[in-house]
Amino acid sequence: AAGVIQSPRHLIKEKRETATLKCYPIPRHDTVYWYQQGPGQDPQFLISFYEKMQSDKGSIPDRFSAQQFSDYHSELNMSSLELGDSALYFCASSNTGLADKQETQYFGPGTRLLVL
Amino acid sequence: AQKVTQAQTEISVVEKEDVTLDCVYETRDTTYYLFWYKQPPSGELVFLIRRNSFDEQNEISGRYSWNFQKSTSSFNFTITASQVVDSAVYFCALSGRPTGNQFYFGTGTSLTVIP
Repeated sequence: AAGVIQSPRHLIKEKRETATLKCYPIPRHDTVYWYQQGPGQDPQFLISFYEKMQSDKGSIPDRFSAQQFSDYHSELNMSSLELGDSALYFCASSNTGLADKQETQYFGPGTRLLVL
Repeated sequence: AQKVTQAQTEISVVEKEDVTLDCVYETRDTTYYLFWYKQPPSGELVFLIRRNSFDEQNEISGRYSWNFQKSTSSFNFTITASQVVDSAVYFCALSGRPTGNQFYFGTGTSLTVIP
């Protein structure tokens, strides 16, 4: 079965640079989520999109932005990178459907970002 | 507020032993969902099980079983006859309505199965 695809899998950037992470959800999934997992920590929710509209917002820094495109893939744009942004970034997708329907989130393999 | 507590930071068991991972949650949502995910050393998050708040029936799926008790706000996960490949960090997660679909994760329990 098709899974969530994330690219790149590894990324090394310098401080103050920008980075763009891409996520391709499972086909027919309508919701995409972004999470950040620091070393030894649990994943923290950043932002989500349902049918290309932002649906929920978590602890996403103002330096970060995201969007979901017409083909349902999503991109997380990170600017003015800081050392503390070094983390594993997960994308997850689900088939949420109706507003009250909670479906299981399936996670991609993650993008490991290292900021030097 | 949504909160998930996994009091066990690290657990070590010998292969073939049974092991139970504890999860306690807090939520004000009337409808909520509980999940267990596994994160092996390779880093991906693998979905294991899910439970809805309106369904307290406990089940067994292969070597996995879970015990969901609303009265104590607990959602414990048991692996029977543990194997070395079970070594991973296990996360309990919570989501609900109307709070939102985002997951609130516990801090994880690192399980080591010793051959």
